[in-house]
Amino acid sequence: DVQLVQSGAEVKKPGESLKISCSTSGYRFASNWIGWVRQMPGKGLEWMGIIFPGDSDTRYSPSFQGHVLISADNSISTAYLQWDSLKASDSAIYFCARGVGMTGWFDFWGRGTRVTVSS
Amino acid sequence: QSVLTQAPSASGTPGQSVTISCSGSSSNIGSNSVNWYQQLSGTAPKLLIYRNNQRPSGVPDRISGSKSGTSASLAISGLQSEDEADYYCAAWDDSLNGVVFGGGTKLTVL
Repeated sequence: DVQLVQSGAEVKKPGESLKISCSTSGYRFASNWIGWVRQMPGKGLEWMGIIFPGDSDTRYSPSFQGHVLISADNSISTAYLQWDSLKASDSAIYFCARGVGMTGWFDFWGRGTRVTVSS
Repeated sequence: QSVLTQAPSASGTPGQSVTISCSGSSSNIGSNSVNWYQQLSGTAPKLLIYRNNQRPSGVPDRISGSKSGTSASLAISGLQSEDEADYYCAAWDDSLNGVVFGGGTKLTVL
């Protein structure tokens, strides 16, 4: 079975760094895109970016380019989303999801990681 | 403000049919397929429809999708209480070079 298991909830202060993870199993990690989607409190879904672990080809939404980094480690079938300097406005739930093609749909989703940034 | 436009809410009684619409433009729905996701309260989104009208395994055939021009629709017939959720449309946007989502429609089963 395909599974995406995300790391646990985080509470951070503004300016701190953070790296959250998405550990996958049940399929060939290197051959499928992995995307990240943000959901701010009480709001809708926002596409942040996507990575193809096989060659690390990564695309970002203009809204998130330069503020987050998406990466992947093929050796442990895990994708990452990281920030160098968090802002309060980064408080949200972050979902990882397996993409069917770069431009296609997300067929399997992680349960989400809640990130709270507060002083 | 979302690139794809959805009505914020919809409702129906058990057994009724409801349609949720999604409006876009030539750079997204007009030139790419539409996908729909269901998000039950407090859970992760779930793929409901892909490639405009395809259902993943396990999605009942009372749920269907369609696309015409720069708009798409999700239809749910035989409404059940378990259908109460938020529904999002999504499509690749050739101008933005990324996936765009609708703002979501909250479906209430009265």
